[in-house]
Amino acid sequence: AQSVTQPDIHITVSEGASLELRCNYSYGATPYLFWYVQSPGQGLQLLLKYFSGDTLVQGIKGFEAEFKRSQSSFNLRKPSVHWSDAAEYFCAVGARAAGNKLTFGGGTRVLVKP
Amino acid sequence: DADVTQTPRNRITKTGKRIMLECSQTKGHDRMYWYRQDPGLGLRLIYYSFDVKDINKGEISDGYSVSRQAQAKFSLSLESAIPNQTALYFCATSDSGTKNIQYFGAGTRLSVL
Repeated sequence: AQSVTQPDIHITVSEGASLELRCNYSYGATPYLFWYVQSPGQGLQLLLKYFSGDTLVQGIKGFEAEFKRSQSSFNLRKPSVHWSDAAEYFCAVGARAAGNKLTFGGGTRVLVKP
Repeated sequence: DADVTQTPRNRITKTGKRIMLECSQTKGHDRMYWYRQDPGLGLRLIYYSFDVKDINKGEISDGYSVSRQAQAKFSLSLESAIPNQTALYFCATSDSGTKNIQYFGAGTRLSVL
């Protein structure tokens, strides 16, 4: 069975600083990988996804993520955060062999200091 | 209007009561899902349906049941609510042809007293 670990429960970053959120997964084959963002009182919005090909993927809101097979990681980055990036971020892995059901990590809550 | 609509948005109920959470979608997707979100645990899958006649248990289905009334409607029931079912519940949909990109409703916050 697949699993996802997000080691950082909370991250505090200053506005304008860079942000990196870590995600490690366990899956026996090449997975489908996703990052979602949940703003307060909102549902989850897809930031970006990786299916195959170029391991650096671009998403919405200036985010990017890099798939590293050797490290089983799919870390999310943003060069310069805005106050509106304060939210909870979830990494998810889709298992191709199981109808692509998603398994989510525990989430990382990002606080942005002025 | 939202593509994935959950009702109610908030609900407070008492232990032992039966409660139904509803989800409807206008995206034309064939697959629908119910998750619950608890702090630090992320989202965990309760039930999922790949089409109207195909319903499957997820990792935490005990104490829950579902009904797929139509392609666009998928409801979640708690037959006899208990306090540890207090959580944020999300419905999601996906199209079988899109590698399972899921689209989420705004959530239902349920409190069981």
